Amino acid sequence: AQSVSQHNHHVILSEAASLELGCNYSYGGTVNLFWYVQYPGQHLQLLLKYFSGDPLVKGIKGFEAEFIKSKFSFNLRKPSVQWSDTAEYFCAVKGDSNYQLIWGAGTKLIIKP
Amino acid sequence: GAGVSQTPSNKVTEKGKYVELRCDPISGHTALYWYRQSLGQGPEFLIYFQGTGAADDSGLPNDRFFAVRPEGSVSTLKIQRTERGDSAVYLCASSSGTGGYTFGSGTRLTVV
Repeated sequence: AQSVSQHNHHVILSEAASLELGCNYSYGGTVNLFWYVQYPGQHLQLLLKYFSGDPLVKGIKGFEAEFIKSKFSFNLRKPSVQWSDTAEYFCAVKGDSNYQLIWGAGTKLIIKP
Repeated sequence: GAGVSQTPSNKVTEKGKYVELRCDPISGHTALYWYRQSLGQGPEFLIYFQGTGAADDSGLPNDRFFAVRPEGSVSTLKIQRTERGDSAVYLCASSSGTGGYTFGSGTRLTVV
C-alpha cells in the first residue's frame, strides 16, 4: 500500500533561517508529487507539484522541492523563511494507476519573528 | 465559480442527527473528491466522483455516509445518525485531471 512519511511533525525556526521539510513515499511506480500549505484558519493551497521532467520544481512564495527517485523523496526547501510562512505543510502523492492523493501527516512550521 | 465552494463553513449538530454538506466545484472540473481531516492528521480520502458516478467510495467509513453528484457538478455528502467521532473538517476538491487539486475551505463538523 502507498504511504507518505513526513519526518518532522513540528519545526520551529527564526526568520531568515533556511528550511527543509522531509517527505518520503512508498510506491513502486510513476508518481505525481505535491506539497500543500494550510495557513491558520485557511484551506489547503497548492505550493508546487511534480509530474515529470526537471526534478527540481519551483513553486509559489519562493518554495522549491527536489524529487529524488532513488530515495523516494520529495523534500521541500526555502532558503530564507519569513514569519508569514508559519503554517502546516502537507506532502501528498498520487500513483499513476489511481487517482487518490495519499497524504503525509503534515508538518507544523512556526517562524519566530 | 473561481474556486471550490463548500457550505456551510461550520456545522454543529447533535449526536444522532442527519447532516448534509455541500460542495460546488470549479466549473468544468469533472473529478470531485471528498476528504476528511481530523486534528493533527493529513486529509483522509472518502469518495471520488468522475462526472455523476462515484468511481470509488472505498474511503467512506461506514454505511452512515453517502454522497451524490446527480448532475455532475454540485455534490452533497450526507451523514446519517451522526456520532461524536464524525467531528472533523470535511474537504472537497475538484480537478480537471491535468494538474493539482483545488480544495475548498472545508466544512467544520462538530457533533455534540
